[in-house]
Amino acid sequence: AQSVSQHNHHVILSEAASLELGCNYSYGGTVNLFWYVQYPGQHLQLLLKYFSGDPLVKGIKGFEAEFIKSKFSFNLRKPSVQWSDTAEYFCAVTSMEYGNKLVFGAGTILRVKS
Amino acid sequence: DVKVTQSSRYLVKRTGEKVFLECVQDMDHENMFWYRQDPGLGLRLIYFSYDVKMKEKGDIPEGYSVSREKKERFSLILESASTNQTSMYLCASIPGVGEISQPQHFGDGTRLSIL
Repeated sequence: AQSVSQHNHHVILSEAASLELGCNYSYGGTVNLFWYVQYPGQHLQLLLKYFSGDPLVKGIKGFEAEFIKSKFSFNLRKPSVQWSDTAEYFCAVTSMEYGNKLVFGAGTILRVKS
Repeated sequence: DVKVTQSSRYLVKRTGEKVFLECVQDMDHENMFWYRQDPGLGLRLIYFSYDVKMKEKGDIPEGYSVSREKKERFSLILESASTNQTSMYLCASIPGVGEISQPQHFGDGTRLSIL
């Protein structure tokens, strides 16, 4: 079965600091990868996704992620965080072999201090 | 824009009660999902459905059942609620079979407390 590992459960940064959230998945076949964000009191929404092509994916609000197939990784990055980026971030993976089921990581809670 | 609506934001029930959580989507999506979200565990799939009257178990189906009588509605049922089912429940949908590159659209969630 697929699994997704997010390296940190809690991250605290000051505004303008750079962010990198780690994500590793277990499945070795063709995958689709997602990062979702959940702002306090809001529903999950898509930040960015990778399914083919350029392994460097740009999403909303200045976020980007890099798919490194050899490392089974899909780390999320942002050069300079803002207080409004305080949220919980989830990495997720799906594949044709696993059907339409999304497998989520445990989530990373990011708190940005102003 | 896709709208996934869950009938309640907050729900409090007693142990042993039968509990129904309702989810409706307005975009004619074929696939619908129920997850529970717990701190430190992320989202775990309970059940999903890829068509009317079709259902498949997810990773943690024990203690739950589902119903999909109409395409737009997917119900989660706790047959006899227990305190370990206190959680945030999320419903999601995506278009047809094979559309796995499409992002899932989530509802706002139902925070269920079992006393």
